[in-house]
Parts: sequence; structure tokens; C-alpha cells
Amino acid sequence: NAGVMQNPRHLVRRRGQEARLRCSPMKGHSHVYWYRQLPEEGLKFMVYLQKENIIDESGMPKERFSAEFPKEGPSILRIQQVVRGDSAAYFCASSLGPAKNIQYFGAGTRLSVL
Amino acid sequence: DAKTTQPPSMDCAEGRAANLPCNHSTISGNEYVYWYRQIHSQGPQYIIHGLKNNETNEMASLIITEDRKSSTLILPHATLRDTAVYYCIVRVEGSNYQLIWGAGTKLIIKP
Repeated sequence: NAGVMQNPRHLVRRRGQEARLRCSPMKGHSHVYWYRQLPEEGLKFMVYLQKENIIDESGMPKERFSAEFPKEGPSILRIQQVVRGDSAAYFCASSLGPAKNIQYFGAGTRLSVL
Repeated sequence: DAKTTQPPSMDCAEGRAANLPCNHSTISGNEYVYWYRQIHSQGPQYIIHGLKNNETNEMASLIITEDRKSSTLILPHATLRDTAVYYCIVRVEGSNYQLIWGAGTKLIIKP
């Protein structure tokens, strides 16, 4: 019963370092979504990927943030030169496809920038 | 911006039915109502969704008004483990894959 797996669960970085967040979707799911959540707020959409393709990155900051979902391996959300404002919980979700669009979420990665 | 309005918080006694309201007065004809919940420090969990008919699954029931401008999520026998933030989301099936989240309702189940 492997759900969406995210790692690490907690990540601490100093300002200026890089953060890499990984997400393995549920078995059979080829669509991945990344969301960011600030304390006491709802989730905010960042990016939607299908295997090897970025479908929609409209919610992702133009600088320092990038995402990929290679043919083999997990999806990666990469944040370069982190700043304190990047501190948040980052959630990954997966679905069978946009038509089968129940999104199932992982437990999240909590990024703290010192 | 979220297209739904929910009360910020609610209490419910353990063992009783918890009824969580949601207003979505601008909902379009092809937009579904989805409910998720988020238990503290965990990822969101899908509960149920519907278009216009009432729906029931092993977790909850969803009642959608005839004009579709509001809905109610019902947890029939709330337990302490149901304490969470509950989010009501409207989206278009098969196209608008983004889930647009409001602030949700913080449901506290009391013993």
C-alpha cells in the first residue's frame, strides 16, 4: 500500500544553500503536482508535471525554483539559494491523470531556512 | 482565490455527527465539489467529491443543495481522530487540475 512518498520529511538549510525535495508518486500514477503551504494557510499550487514534461508551472516563482519528473526516478523540486521566506511545508500529490483527478498527497517536506 | 466559503472553526462531541458547511455560490455547472482534510502536520487526505447528487463512502457523506450553491460534509460518528482542518474545493473535472485551497474549517472533536 505504497502511497505518495516524500523525502526528506524535514530539511534545514542555511540561507544561500540549495534544497532538493523528492517525491515518488503512487504506483501507476504518472502525474505529479507540487504545492506549498505557509503556516495557518491553505496549500498553494506550484507546478504540475507529467513524466519528462512540465505541464503547468504558473504557480512557481520564476527564479531559484525548478522542478523535474524524469523518466526514471522521483520528481524533484529544487530551490537554489534559499531565503528565509522559502521556509514552508512542501507537498507533493499524484494522480492517474488529469481526467482521473483525485490527487493523493504525501506527508510533505518541512523546509526550514536559518 | 478560493471559490468557497467555510466557517473558520467548529466543535463537535465525540460520537455525534459532524456537519461541515461550505458555500460555493459561484459554482459552474461542470464544477465538482471536493473535500479534503489535513490532520496536524500531515499531508491532505481525500475524503469525497460530487457534482450534484449526494454521495456517500466509507468516510463521509456529501449533501449538495439542489441549486448547487452550497454543500455539507457529514461525518456520521465523529471520533477524536477526525480532529483536522477540512477543506472544501470546487474544480472542473478533467481540466482544471489545480486544487485552489481556502483556509478551511478547523474541526475539533471533544470527548
